[in-house]
Formats: sequence, structure tokens, C-alpha cells
Amino acid sequence: DAGVIQSPRHEVTEMGQEVTLRCKPISGHDYLFWYRQTMMRGLELLIYFNNNVPIDDSGMPEDRFSAKMPNASFSTLKIQPSEPRDSAVYFCASSTMGGGVQPQHFGDGTRLSIL
Amino acid sequence: DAKTTQPPSMDCAEGRAANLPCNHSTISGNEYVYWYRQIHSQGPQYIIHGLKNNETNEMASLIITEDRKSSTLILPHATLRDTAVYYCIVRPTGNQFYFGTGTSLTVIP
Repeated sequence: DAGVIQSPRHEVTEMGQEVTLRCKPISGHDYLFWYRQTMMRGLELLIYFNNNVPIDDSGMPEDRFSAKMPNASFSTLKIQPSEPRDSAVYFCASSTMGGGVQPQHFGDGTRLSIL
Repeated sequence: DAKTTQPPSMDCAEGRAANLPCNHSTISGNEYVYWYRQIHSQGPQYIIHGLKNNETNEMASLIITEDRKSSTLILPHATLRDTAVYYCIVRPTGNQFYFGTGTSLTVIP
């Protein structure tokens, strides 16, 4: 079975540019999570969706970050404008109903470098 | 969420059992214990979870003490591919995961 698919795997761009990260969750999963991982802060939850609706975006660092889920099979995380401190690995994860009990399945992440 | 405490690093000889401890002394009755691992440059991988009873699957065993204040993840026959950071997480139903710093396990040939 296909797991969570993220693209691109690597992104290098200059400060001030718009960055869009993409995620395809596992088919049939109704929860989708976006995480960010850095050496300093570890793995942090940014936002999660249930049935395509954002439920908790309290982890989104600031207004430069936005996330959408237009349908059950696709989500984007956008940073505009990007800054060097946004450099991190961004993970997407999905789970089936009962996000509290069922495990989350992670993609392999997007390694983002802002110069 | 209950706070978890794990040793920062451990070594294990290849072929031997790896026993990774986790303390969660403030765990509540409805909080599950989850274990994930993260191999370098990959996303976290789910291993196992449990509430009260010991659990076993094809990857590992989870032993939870009777008072539920601690647990141990057991990899019965560690291989070099098990070298990773292992995260112990406790959470109630319906809430999000909080990953701590985990235990960096190194399997030695």
C-alpha cells in the first residue's frame, strides 16, 4: 500500500520567495497532520485537519504560514514570504478515524533550506 | 499530555534484545503509550501502542507496568537497521502527539 507521499523531497530557495509543500495522505485516512522538525525544537505539530477541515492551527508559527486541504487526497503547506529561520524538515502524517487512538503514519518529509 | 522521560542514548549488540525504558509517572487512566522511531532522514515510523496490557507485534513488544507509570519497548533481536531515535509518547484519545527528545539507540556489530 502507498504510504503518505510528500513533495518535493528537497527544496532550496531564497529568502522572500513563496514555498509550497505538498502532501498526499493514505487513502481512507480522515486526519492529516503537518509537523516541523529542527535540531533546536525537535518535532512540533503545526496544524491538523479532520475531514478536510482545520481543527487546530495553534502550532502555526505566524501568519506567513498557511495550510489548506481542498480534498481528502491533497494538502498544502505554504510559506510566504519565506525566511532563513523556516529552514527545517517538514513532515506530513495521516491517520484513520479516532486520531487519538489510531497511530499516525508519516511521510518522508520535505527538507527545506531558505538561503 | 503526560510527560515522558527517556535516556538520551543507549547501545545494544547486534542480535541481542534491546530494552528501551520510558517513565511516565503522571500518566492518566485514559492515556495510551505509543512508541515511534525515526531513522536518519526518514519520517517517524509507528512501532506499537498500548493502554494497560502488554502488546506484541511483528516489530516489538511493549511491556507496561501494573501501575502504568513506566513502560519498556523490547526489540527482541536488534539489527543494524534498528539504529534510530526511539520516541515514547503518552496521549489521551482525541489529542495530538507531543514528541520529546527520545532515545538514540545504536546497534553495534
